[in-house]
Amino acid sequence: EAGVVQSPRYKIIEKKQPVAFWCNPISGHNTLYWYLQNLGQGPELLIRYENEEAVDDSQLPKDRFSAERLKGVDSTLKIQPAELGDSAVYLCASSLSRDYEQYFGPGTRLTVT
Amino acid sequence: LAKTTQPISMDSYEGQEVNITCSHNNIATNDYITWYQQFPSQGPRFIIQGYKTKVTNEVASLFIPADRKSSTLSLPRVSLSDTAVYYCLVRNYGGATNKLIFGTGTLLAVQP
Repeated sequence: EAGVVQSPRYKIIEKKQPVAFWCNPISGHNTLYWYLQNLGQGPELLIRYENEEAVDDSQLPKDRFSAERLKGVDSTLKIQPAELGDSAVYLCASSLSRDYEQYFGPGTRLTVT
Repeated sequence: LAKTTQPISMDSYEGQEVNITCSHNNIATNDYITWYQQFPSQGPRFIIQGYKTKVTNEVASLFIPADRKSSTLSLPRVSLSDTAVYYCLVRNYGGATNKLIFGTGTLLAVQP
């Protein structure tokens, strides 16, 4: 069975440019998470979806970050415009529901120059 | 916002038992405690999950005291391949919205 797929794996952009990350969760997983991970730190939750509904986006910087999960399957996380401080690894995870273990993708490493 | 704290690093030798503790004194009432392992350039990988007392699976045990303000991940007989960062994950009580919080992470270094 395929795991959580993320693309791209790496992205380098200049500040003020837009960027988008894509995530395909494990089939049948209703819950999808986006995390940000800075070097040497634990992942920080940005947003959690239950099917297509964003049920926890309190830590998503809504002035520049947006996310969507159309049809409750794939999800896209967007940053516009990107800032230098956005350089990090963006992780996507999915689970059967919020009480089950999360399966993580390999992440997208974003570098903003 | 209450933190979920862990020792920064631990050293061990092959074949030893390793215990890593996580402090989460503001944990939400009805949520699980979950532990993950992370290797460089990979996403975290699930190890074990529990709510109270003790849970054991084929790779680890998880000990949770009655007050649930901490938890201990126990890895029996570690090997070199267990060298990684270990994170606990809990949902901290935050009033109107409980926050899903990863711990600060513990780098376990296993030596021959």
